[in-house]
Amino acid sequence: ETGVTQSPTHLIKTRGQQVTLRCSSQSGHNTVSWYQQALGQGPQFIFQYYREEENGRGNFPPRFSGLQFPNYSSELNVNALELDDSALYLCASSLAGTKETQYFGPGTRLLVL
Amino acid sequence: GENVEQHPSTLSVQEGDSAVIKCTYSDSASNYFPWYKQELGKGPQLIIDIRSNVGEKKDQRIAVTLNKTAKHFSLHITETQPEDSAVYFCAASTGFQKLVFGTGTRLLVSP
Repeated sequence: ETGVTQSPTHLIKTRGQQVTLRCSSQSGHNTVSWYQQALGQGPQFIFQYYREEENGRGNFPPRFSGLQFPNYSSELNVNALELDDSALYLCASSLAGTKETQYFGPGTRLLVL
Repeated sequence: GENVEQHPSTLSVQEGDSAVIKCTYSDSASNYFPWYKQELGKGPQLIIDIRSNVGEKKDQRIAVTLNKTAKHFSLHITETQPEDSAVYFCAASTGFQKLVFGTGTRLLVSP
């Protein structure tokens, strides 16, 4: 196990609703990255947070937003949910300034109906 | 931007055989290449990684090779076991911690 935890494990929402997913990084790691993994595909980078600031963003619309807290934990917020947002959402923690190695949590599976 | 292609999409081997998964990348600035194993219902687990200043790296039954000229890297698993069955992903990074993943290879090891 990596020590990265995510909550909740599963979530069902309806189209148009908002959702908040949470991630606690591995001890000592100060950077959190979020990825979306659609069924049968590889993870796609959403964004990364370092020192409570967004530090890079993938090709996702502004309705995907995030936060990082002083204890390095993080939230992913998605507004105005669409059916295509149904996916496994993964967070990964790493230590900035050293290796790029990212350690993933178990993910939150989101189903949008 | 970076694009990573991965082959094959599925791979079936007999226990004890070797398995090879291949990836190509497009961005010559990529310098970090990890491999992840993902079991059903779990997040990706890092199994081995290689940096652009190294051509090959081994860890017990697992090895990764990198050909920077061809922009090609491969995962080699020897003496496969049923517990190696999973989906394997390659990824590439230019060093800013954004990983670009391949599409995955489903490996099935039959006893």
